[in-house]
Amino acid sequence: EVQLVESGGGLVQPGGSLRLSCAASGFTISNSWMHWVRQGPGKGLVWVSHIKGDDSATFYADSVKGRFTISRDNAKNTLSLQMNSLRVEDTALYFCVKESVGAFDIWGQGTMVTVSS
Amino acid sequence: QAGLTQSPSVSTGLRQTATLICTGDSNNVGNEGVAWLQQHQGHPPKLLSYRNNNRPSGVSERFSASRSGNTASLTITGLQPEDEADYYCSAWDSSLRAWVFGGGTKLTVL
Repeated sequence: EVQLVESGGGLVQPGGSLRLSCAASGFTISNSWMHWVRQGPGKGLVWVSHIKGDDSATFYADSVKGRFTISRDNAKNTLSLQMNSLRVEDTALYFCVKESVGAFDIWGQGTMVTVSS
Repeated sequence: QAGLTQSPSVSTGLRQTATLICTGDSNNVGNEGVAWLQQHQGHPPKLLSYRNNNRPSGVSERFSASRSGNTASLTITGLQPEDEADYYCSAWDSSLRAWVFGGGTKLTVL
């Protein structure tokens, strides 16, 4: 069964850092297109970042460019999101997502990030 | 980054048909494949349709999607109580080089 399990969320002060992880099972992330998508409390879905399966090129939303870094550890079959210089507006539930057929196919349950003083 | 446009809410009767609309432009909906997702309260989204009108295995035939120009639509026939959820459209924007979502439509089944 294909499954994604996020971890690493929590409460952090503005300006702080946090590293999210996503453990994948049932497939290999090394050749998969993987994304992070977030959802603020009571808000809609917002794409954050993705890493391509073929050449590992990375893409970021303007709102996180220069602050967040997506990466993957093929040996551990894990996707990560390093988040620096966090802002109050980064508060959200962060989903790890596997792209298939050109769409957001498989979703994890999400990990909550709260940025507050 | 600009997103796609969806009506905030739609209300339709039980066993009736609901049509949800998603509007974009030639850089996203009009050129790239549109996907539709369903999200029930407290749960992660679920893919309902991809590349404009394809349904993943396991998704009910009551859900069908289409695209005309810069507008995509999701039609749900024979509405059931469990169809009450938030529905999002998404597409790759080739100009922004970013994925964009609609703001979501909350479907209420009366």
